[in-house]
Order: sequence, then C-alpha cells, then structure tokens
Amino acid sequence: KAGVTQTPRYLIKTRGQQVTLSCSPISGHRSVSWYQQTPGQGLQFLFEYFSETQRNKGNFPGRFSGRQFSNSRSEMNVSTLELGDSALYLCASSRVAGALSNEQFFGPGTRLTVL
Amino acid sequence: GQQLNQSPQSMFIQEGEDVSMNCTSSSIFNTWLWYKQDPGEGPVLLIALYKAGELTSNGRLTAQFGITRKDSFLNISASIPSDVGIYFCAGPPYVQGAQKLVFGQGTRLTINP
Repeated sequence: KAGVTQTPRYLIKTRGQQVTLSCSPISGHRSVSWYQQTPGQGLQFLFEYFSETQRNKGNFPGRFSGRQFSNSRSEMNVSTLELGDSALYLCASSRVAGALSNEQFFGPGTRLTVL
Repeated sequence: GQQLNQSPQSMFIQEGEDVSMNCTSSSIFNTWLWYKQDPGEGPVLLIALYKAGELTSNGRLTAQFGITRKDSFLNISASIPSDVGIYFCAGPPYVQGAQKLVFGQGTRLTINP
C-alpha cells in the first residue's frame, strides 16, 4: 500500500508570494492533518480535514488555509509569505478523524524556503 | 497550550548501548505515540500505547504508558547505526474537543561506531 505522498518536496519562494502544497493520503484514509516543523518550535499542528470539512485548527494566522477534496486529497495554502514561514510542512493521514485518529502516518514533507 | 516535555534533548552513545528517553505532560493523555524521524523525511510511527501501564515492544524498542497517564518511556536495546535520528513522543491531550496531536521537542540520538 502506497504511503502518504506530498508534492512538491522542495519549494523556494520570496516574501509576499503565496504557495500551495499538496498531500495525497494513504488509500482508504479519510483524515488529513497538516503540521509545520521548525527547529525552534518543533512540530506544530495546523489543521485537520475529514470528509472535506475542517475539523480542528491550530493557532496559526488566517494566511494559512487548507481544503480537502472528495478523494481525500488535501491542499494547504499560505498567502503573503513571510521569512518565518520557512519550514518543513508535513501532512499526516489517518483512517478516521477525531479521537480515533491517533495513529497518524506522515508523508515526507515539503521543505519551503522563503527568501 | 498543551506541552510535552521530552528528555534528554540529545544523546551521544556508543553502538551497542541501550537507550532510554522519556516524555512527561502536565495533563492526562489517553494515548502515547512514539515516532522516529530521519533527516529529510517525515516521522514514522514506532509504537502506539493506549492503556495506562501498558508495555509494548517493537523489535528492540520497548515503550511504556505511565500509570499516572502523564508520562511515557521509550527504550532501545543494543543500539545500531540505523537508530540514529530524532525520536518524538506525541499524543492527544485528554481535553474535550481536542482532536489533534501534541508533540514533544524530540530526542536527537547520535551513535558513535
């Protein structure tokens, strides 16, 4: 069974631009969560989607948004990029959402560099 | 917000040594997860614990769910070079409506051959 895939793996943008990252969950998994990983802050939860609905959201500004499609694939968008947005963005999928979605499986991440 | 305190932050050991790391929280967790992350990759789930006092093994790895439900331990026996990486504990805090994982800061394991 194929794992979680994320595209692109690497991205370089400049301040003020926007970016869209994509995540395809494991087949049969309907929940997708996004995390930001930085050396200083570690792994921080961005949001979770299940059945095309955002179920939970972390403490990030509105510049960070996402969506999920009917095939469970998810995209994350960051607008008006700032230098501090440089990070590894990880997507994780799980079979169900909420309290039962504890076993999350991560993709390889997208390394975003903002210049 | 919820925080997990993971220690030690880094470890430098000789190949063949045993490794112990732990994770503590100020609040109760119903689940503890241990992940390993290699450079340039996403975290990989190693062990999941669901019951206080539970002791679970995965090869040379053993993890325990503390009986207070506020801590967990991960042990690696007879370390080998491929054990190098960053180990994270994680869990969903037992707070109504909390449906997200909180991660520890990680333990970076370095092995000297």
